[in-house]
Formats: sequence, C-alpha cells, structure tokens
Amino acid sequence: DAKTTQPPSMDCAEGRAANLPCNHSTISGNEYVYWYRQIHSQGPQYIIHGLKNNETNEMASLIITEDRKSSTLILPHATLRDTAVYYCIVRVRMDSSYKLIFGSGTRLLVRP
Amino acid sequence: GAVVSQHPSWVICKSGTSVKIECRSLDFQATTMFWYRQFPKQSLMLMATSNEGSKATYEQGVEKDKFLINHASLTLSTLTVTSAHPEDSSFYICSAEGGIGNEAFFGQGTRLTVV
Repeated sequence: DAKTTQPPSMDCAEGRAANLPCNHSTISGNEYVYWYRQIHSQGPQYIIHGLKNNETNEMASLIITEDRKSSTLILPHATLRDTAVYYCIVRVRMDSSYKLIFGSGTRLLVRP
Repeated sequence: GAVVSQHPSWVICKSGTSVKIECRSLDFQATTMFWYRQFPKQSLMLMATSNEGSKATYEQGVEKDKFLINHASLTLSTLTVTSAHPEDSSFYICSAEGGIGNEAFFGQGTRLTVV
C-alpha cells in the first residue's frame, strides 16, 4: 500500500505558484520522498526527491517538514503545460532494492 | 534526466496470443527494472521487480506464469503477456533504476489492446 495521501485535485492560475501537499506520517528514517508527474497517456516524469533537507532543482522545490511527516512540492510559476497528475511517493526498501508504490496522486489543473 | 525507451508504444493483438514489450535504458545501466500496469483513470500498480540475471519478484496477485519477465542485461528487460485476454488490455509502463542518483526513470508506456 502507498504510504502517502494527497488531495485528489487542485487548481491554480497560470504564472502563480502551485503548492501540492503530501502526508507521509508513517515514513521511516531512511526512506526518501519522491515526486513524479504524469501527463495523460505518458509515462511518469521524475521531478525531485529528498530525505530531510529542502531541495530545489530547475523544475520545482521540495519542502519537507522537520518531523518528515509531510512535504510540499512547489512549482514556482505554473504554466499550462504543468497540468498533470502529481504523485508523491515514499521509496520503500525491499530486500536488496527499493520500490516505488504509487498512491492516487493529485490532479493539478493550471487555469489560463 | 536519463532515458528509458519502451517498445512498442501501442499494440493490438488477438485474444489467446502473446505479446512482448521491451524496456531499454539508453544511457545508463539499470540495476533494477520495474513493471507497472495502469487502467483508465487509475494510478500505476506495481506488477514486478526484476534484477539483471535473476528471477523477477512479483507483487501479490500478479500471475508470474502469465506475465513473464526477463532481465537479460543491464539495459534490457522484457515483459511478455502470455495468452492475452481482453481484460489484460491496459497501459503497461516500465521504469529503470540506476544512474548517478539512483532515481527511477520511466518509459513512455505501451498501450495493449486485446481484441
């Protein structure tokens, strides 16, 4: 089962920041938080990941709370092309490897 | 980011036949590859995990004799849907883990329609 919960849908205006929340209250100390997005009928696209420090790259910023029980993905200036389903995932340890278990995700609609 | 290529992008097959889907990591060696299935308006469901040179690990409820996975090299994994039926029609997506940060990168998906 997925270890994350997200709101089913959100919307924001084009050019504004989109803040997508995620709860992962059962996360373990060495489990990373990953964010992917999926545009209709395509494979998921990697956005960002983090363990406990805030992270930023050319696509987004990831803010993780100090207790690591929740995080927020920030798209600083949303465009129409950012309309997609965003998945927050906790990477779970499995024997000698890891796996990503997808939850329901948040459907983000960016309005013109 | 790294590139993972799936082939074919879409396939239509007759009920009872088998279909093979390829997943290649083009610019990195993938220590682990994953296969997912996605039905319309649903999230991705992990089917199995494969490591190069060893047997795949299947998720609960996924039939290993129906969904054959071969991970012959560090850049190629294949999923064969055997004796396909209409209920196997779905969007199949692979991902490969490797590279510098060990992120998982996804292929573009394969839409399978069984008629």
